[in-house]
This record gives sequence, structure tokens and C-alpha cells, in this order.
Amino acid sequence: NAGVTQTPKFQVLKTGQSMTLQCAQDMNHEYMSWYRQDPGMGLRLIHYSVGAGITDQGEVPNGYNVSRSTTEDFPLRLLSAAPSQTSVYFCASSPPRPRKDTQYFGPGTRLTVL
Amino acid sequence: GQNIDQPTEMTATEGAIVQINCTYQTSGFNGLFWYQQHAGEAPTFLSYNVLDGLEEKGRFSSFLSRSKGYSYLLLKELQMKDSASYLCAVRGGSTLGRLYFGRGTQLTVWP
Repeated sequence: NAGVTQTPKFQVLKTGQSMTLQCAQDMNHEYMSWYRQDPGMGLRLIHYSVGAGITDQGEVPNGYNVSRSTTEDFPLRLLSAAPSQTSVYFCASSPPRPRKDTQYFGPGTRLTVL
Repeated sequence: GQNIDQPTEMTATEGAIVQINCTYQTSGFNGLFWYQQHAGEAPTFLSYNVLDGLEEKGRFSSFLSRSKGYSYLLLKELQMKDSASYLCAVRGGSTLGRLYFGRGTQLTVWP
């Protein structure tokens, strides 16, 4: 198993550009989520999904869209990038009945918006 | 709402013991997790408590008191490689699987 994979690892955007951060897992996990991490702010939930076709907003959803057409993939779209979206983005997944081994995190995408 | 508090920074010396505290207020509770995160890396799972008491795993132990909304992570025989951020997270609320994270405690271990 590859676990949770994210692409790209690094990305630089100009203000106003759009892009999609990719996330995939091969563990058949139903629950997937996107976090952003900024210095001193911890992990903040952007969007999450409890299964294919179902998504919901987290704490900081503005400026981001998600979709979940398959169990494996959960892409995060930045509609019009802003400097405030400069951050490290982590995707995570967990099994359908969460056990003590909890969420598995991808390696992260480091995004800079100029 | 959900509120999870932990100290911002802590320092300790090699070989010592350090205790990182976490207090929480959440609507619903279904487990408390500790993660370790080294600079530039993803968080990795350390421990899980769902019942009151102490869970021990090698040099790391975690304690939970649900009535007090309190947990701590105890690190023994500190090593330089333990320098990292330690994240407290609570699984709660109405969505199964959702975690609420504290802001993390940056631990620096000095020689």
C-alpha cells in the first residue's frame, strides 16, 4: 500500500491563479479530510468527506472547493489563489469505523502564493 | 464548539522527563490522540486514549481524565530526536472520524 499520497510537493502560484491539489489513498478509507497548517495555528480543517459523493465544510472553507467522486481521490481546488492561502496543506484519511490508529496523513503540499 | 489548549513551547535536556498537558472542551468525545510532527514533515500517530487512565508505549505514555477534560503526554529518557511539535487532537462532535487539533507544543531538547 502507498498509503496517502499528495501531489505536488511544492507549488508557487501568482495571485488569482487556480489550481488543484491532488490526494489519493489506497486503503479503502471512507473518511478523508484536508487541513492547512500555518505557523502557530496548528492544523485547521478545510473540508472533509465521509464517503464518495458526500463532502462538508470544516473551519476554514472559504476559497476552496472539494469533490469526492471516488473513494480513493479527494482533490482540493483553489479557485482564485490569494497570498493568505500560502500554507502547508495536508490530506488525511481514516477507516470507516475509526480505530485507535486514527488518521493517516499524506506528506503535505507546500504552497506559496505571490 | 471545540476548544483544545496546550502550551506553545517547552524545553528540556537530554535524558530528562517532560510532561505536555492538553485540556479540551468538546461536544461529544470519542478518543484523544497525540501526534508527533518533525519540522517539514507530516504528523505521525503516537498514542490514543478513550478510557480514563494511563497508556504506556515504550518511552512515551499518555494519560486521560475525561471528567476533567485533561490529558498529558509523558516523554521519558529524552533524546535529541524528540525535538518536535506535539499535537493533541480530540475526536468528537457529530461527525465520526473528525479530529479537532490543538495548536501544538514545540518541544526542544538540549544536549
